[in-house]
Amino acid sequence: TQLLEQSPQFLSIQEGENLTVYCNSSSVFSSLQWYRQEPGEGPVLLVTVVTGGEVKKLKRLTFQFGDARKDSSLHITAAQPGDTGLYLCAGDLAGAGNNRKLIWGLGTSLAVNP
Amino acid sequence: NAGVMQNPRHLVRRRGQEARLRCSPMKGHSHVYWYRQLPEEGLKFMVYLQKENIIDESGMPKERFSAEFPKEGPSILRIQQVVRGDSAAYFCASSPKDPGLGRNEQFFGPGTRLTVL
Repeated sequence: TQLLEQSPQFLSIQEGENLTVYCNSSSVFSSLQWYRQEPGEGPVLLVTVVTGGEVKKLKRLTFQFGDARKDSSLHITAAQPGDTGLYLCAGDLAGAGNNRKLIWGLGTSLAVNP
Repeated sequence: NAGVMQNPRHLVRRRGQEARLRCSPMKGHSHVYWYRQLPEEGLKFMVYLQKENIIDESGMPKERFSAEFPKEGPSILRIQQVVRGDSAAYFCASSPKDPGLGRNEQFFGPGTRLTVL
C-alpha cells in the first residue's frame, strides 16, 4: 500500500511560535506538493518540490524535499493566525502508463492562537 | 481566467434521491479528479477522469456512484439513492494535459457540500 504519513495530525500553538510539519513515505516520489485548506474552501497549492534536497521558501514558510525524495517537511517561522488551516502533502509517483493520481497524506490541522 | 468551478456549492437531498455534482475544470485542463472529505479529515480520492475516459476509479464505491467527463460540458459525479453516510464535502480538481516534468499539480474547486436528510 502506498502511504504518505503526516505528523503531527493536530497542532495548536501561540502566535509567534515556530513549527514543523512532516510528510514521510517509503515510496520515492518524482515530486511532492504542499497544499493549505481553509474551512469551507478547497485546497490551495503552496509549492511543488521536485529535486532531492530541494529547499523552497514562501515568505515565512520553508519547504524541504528529502535527499531520497521519500519525505518532506514544512517549517513555519513566527506563525500568524492567518496560517491556521489544514496542511496537506501529496506525492506524485509518476507511475507507468496514464495514471496521474496523487498519493495524499491525511493532513495536519494547524491552529494559531492570537 | 476562472479557476475550477463547482456547483452547486451546497446540496440538500432526502434519502433515496439522486445527487448530481458538477465540475468545470480550469481552461485548458483535460484531467479531472474527484475527492470526498469528511469534517476534520483529509481528502479521499474517488476517481480520475480524462475527456470521455475513466482512468482510475479505485476510490469509488461499487454501487450508486458514477462519474463522467464528456467531450463537451462539465464533469459530473452522480450519486443515486443517497444515504445519510453520503453527507460530505466533494471536491473536484483539474490538471493540465501536459504538465512540466515532475509537476503534476492539481487545482481545486470550492467544493460541493452534500447534506442528506
